[in-house]
Amino acid sequence: KQEVTQIPAALSVPEGENLVLNCSFTDSAIYNLQWFRQDPGKGLTSLLLIQSSQREQTSGRLNASLDKSSGRSTLYIAASQPGDSATYLCAVDVDYKLSFGAGTTVTVRA
Amino acid sequence: DAGVIQSPRHEVTEMGQEVTLRCKPISGHNSLFWYRQTMMRGLELLIYFNNNVPIDDSGMPEDRFSAKMPNASFSTLKIQPSEPRDSAVYFCASSFHPRETQYFGPGTRLLVL
Repeated sequence: KQEVTQIPAALSVPEGENLVLNCSFTDSAIYNLQWFRQDPGKGLTSLLLIQSSQREQTSGRLNASLDKSSGRSTLYIAASQPGDSATYLCAVDVDYKLSFGAGTTVTVRA
Repeated sequence: DAGVIQSPRHEVTEMGQEVTLRCKPISGHNSLFWYRQTMMRGLELLIYFNNNVPIDDSGMPEDRFSAKMPNASFSTLKIQPSEPRDSAVYFCASSFHPRETQYFGPGTRLLVL
């Protein structure tokens, strides 16, 4: 069974600092990996999707890397802003089903 | 597009009652997913449909749970009878293809007393 782990569970940084969020998974036979953002009381918003054949994906201040062989992905958020405060979840696609990590809750202090 | 629409947004019911959650996917999306989120278990896939056909319901916890998708623009998740341990946030999501980006609805917060 695929296990997805996100460490740390919570992170607090001052505005302007770069954020580094980690995701690890136990089964490297993934089809893709997705990063989502969840605001309190809201649904999930997709941030980036990395295919298993890709090493990284970028969107604006966000960059996600994928090392399938070691079962790791990292989400980088440059120059963090208070509006980046949210919970960030990673999910891996195995057999057409997404398995989610528990998320990292980020607080960016103004 | 209005995005994925779920109703009701909040539901409070008593144990033993039937609960029906509704979802309208994004127009043109062929895949629909039902998830449940709890503090203890995180986000779990319950069932997904492709072209209105249930493909994988292995995440449905018990026979008390059932889901239908009678057409491309509507799906329901029913719990009968409901139990307190069913209290959770239930999300519906849709995508063009099961392996493409999923778009989530705002969720239904269910409390079973």
